[in-house]
Amino acid sequence: DQQVKQNSPSLSVQEGRISILNCDYTNSMFDYFLWYKKYPAEGPTFLISISSIKDKNEDGRFTVFLNKSAKHLSLHIVPSQPGDSAVYFCAARSKGGSEKLVFGKGTKLTVNP
Amino acid sequence: NAGVMQNPRHLVRRRGQEARLRCSPMKGHSHVYWYRQLPEEGLKFMVYLQKENIIDESGMPKERFSAEFPKEGPSILRIQQVVRGDSAAYFCASSPAGGVEKLFFGSGTQLSVL
Repeated sequence: DQQVKQNSPSLSVQEGRISILNCDYTNSMFDYFLWYKKYPAEGPTFLISISSIKDKNEDGRFTVFLNKSAKHLSLHIVPSQPGDSAVYFCAARSKGGSEKLVFGKGTKLTVNP
Repeated sequence: NAGVMQNPRHLVRRRGQEARLRCSPMKGHSHVYWYRQLPEEGLKFMVYLQKENIIDESGMPKERFSAEFPKEGPSILRIQQVVRGDSAAYFCASSPAGGVEKLFFGSGTQLSVL
């Protein structure tokens, strides 16, 4: 039972263009969502987050959009840079101050120069 | 300010042996979380500990797995009588005061069971 789904295992974009990574969830109890970036042989690093009371959060080149009715969120990276090439994980937390994160399987982004 | 330190980075064990994975949280952090990533999967929560207390172990397998975070020293994830299915990357994360908003992950321990 996968509560957080990232249906695209990989994505390839050209440098300078927009990267859009998608994430769907099934659990309506999720109230906080995060995106992590992971390089090979390293741990995940926090990128950006959004609370369920918002529909957009922006930080520099990174924007996360949340569509609660569709149970869908997306991460936009613009402009994409070769250094953005990594695996991106979507994660979610349940209401009630849970300390657990539920992760998707990740999407491997490749940004070509 | 050193980040979350995990050791060893790579651990090879034969079936039936014990594996001990260590995690030193960031300085000033008293909350530790363990996650496991099986091949081609996302990270899965295992356990959440504060100093000397297990707060949530709902993600821990019922047998062979245990975790501790003593008053002094690193957090330890212990796997007894390892099996091939235990082969995975084990990540530790820490936070200063709980809350998933401020999680910092270590680089992980890659466990391989022969």
